[in-house]
Amino acid sequence: ILNVEQSPQSLHVQEGDSTNFTCSFPSSNFYALHWYRWETAKSPEALFVMTLNGDEKKKGRISATLNTKEGYSYLYIKGSQPEDSATYLCASRGGSQGNLIFGKGTKLSVKP
Amino acid sequence: NAGVTQTPKFQVLKTGQSMTLQCAQDMNHNSMYWYRQDPGMGLRLIYYSASEGTTDKGEVPNGYNVSRLNKREFSLRLESAAPSQTSVYFCASSEEELGSLTDTQYFGPGTRLTVL
Repeated sequence: ILNVEQSPQSLHVQEGDSTNFTCSFPSSNFYALHWYRWETAKSPEALFVMTLNGDEKKKGRISATLNTKEGYSYLYIKGSQPEDSATYLCASRGGSQGNLIFGKGTKLSVKP
Repeated sequence: NAGVTQTPKFQVLKTGQSMTLQCAQDMNHNSMYWYRQDPGMGLRLIYYSASEGTTDKGEVPNGYNVSRLNKREFSLRLESAAPSQTSVYFCASSEEELGSLTDTQYFGPGTRLTVL
């Protein structure tokens, strides 16, 4: 079973701050890296899927990068807003089974 | 489109009782999944179905059974519930068959299950 680690576990920032967090995963047998956004009392929603080393994806103020050689991905949020408050999950698809293995998430709280 | 729907939203069981969690998707997806979410843990895969008529074990299958009734529906059954199965259960679906590199999963709203 893959081990997908996310840090930090939680993060408190002020509105307007930019922030980033990390997802690390085994670099061997890597297939794809997913980021999901999970608001309280809702279901996880897909943000990005990345497959190639050096991939960068952007959606509004949120962007992500991927380094498959060293096994990490960063998620960046520029100018955080209260509505960005959520848990951000990453998941790696790898190994012979190809199932998604999820990290425990980073819980972001943005204070107005 | 309703996306992925799950019933019930909440359920309380006594130890030893059985129940079935229902999941349906209207996106014509091939693959469907059942996960459980526990405090301090990531989403863990219980069972999945890569296509209609097939099911496979995930990371934590013990104590559960599944049925892929048709392409739309994928149910999870607890035959004899135990307190360790208290959790939030999420169903998900994806368009492509398991193993696709860009297989985004779409999640249902979850079922909160408590086993006393």
